[in-house]
Amino acid sequence: EAQVTQNPRYLITVTGKKLTVTCSQNMNHEYMSWYRQDPGLGLRQIYYSMNVEVTDKGDVPEGYKVSRKEKRNFPLILESPSPNQTSLYFCASSSRLAGGTYEQYFGPGTRLTVT
Amino acid sequence: AQSVAQPEDQVNVAEGNPLTVKCTYSVSGNPYLFWYVQYPNRGLQFLLKYITGDNLVKGSYGFEAEFNKSQTSFHLKKPSALVSDSALYFCAVRPHRDDKIIFGKGTRLHILP
Repeated sequence: EAQVTQNPRYLITVTGKKLTVTCSQNMNHEYMSWYRQDPGLGLRQIYYSMNVEVTDKGDVPEGYKVSRKEKRNFPLILESPSPNQTSLYFCASSSRLAGGTYEQYFGPGTRLTVT
Repeated sequence: AQSVAQPEDQVNVAEGNPLTVKCTYSVSGNPYLFWYVQYPNRGLQFLLKYITGDNLVKGSYGFEAEFNKSQTSFHLKKPSALVSDSALYFCAVRPHRDDKIIFGKGTRLHILP
């Protein structure tokens, strides 16, 4: 089954404790992206990756890191989480079809609480 | 700045009536436009997209959207609403020659039985 998986689905942590949220897709997609969803703000793009070893900042990259060492994986790293990073996080992937349509497939989400 | 606007936080429609969820955008060039739906406690699901060609595009679950270049709009429509259409709907745009994706804030659609 074609899917995007994220782990963990729920995470409660404390300020400053480094954490990683994993994302994996089995569709051989080139494009992967991380978003955060906050009430009243919709989805905001954190980072995206066009392919292995190619990453770029989205609209809200501060406080986050990513890496793309393999095509299927795109982990999101919070080196020193803060309470304002409490949010619902989504990973997504898409194929770079002719014309670059970027129709995205989303993971189930990770709800992060930083206390 | 490039942006996507969904002017209504919530839309209420009686079952069986037509529905419209509005989206306008402000980006340079010819954008790629998308609609996604989010059901409670789920990730987003792709509904439809406009890339080029016919301004009226059809998507999943009987939804369609009309691209209007002069009004920079991409409103989502359905001729006859179902209670099961109740969800959160997001408009998104990929600006021309850009790899970023910009989402609107979302519109919650309530279909009343």
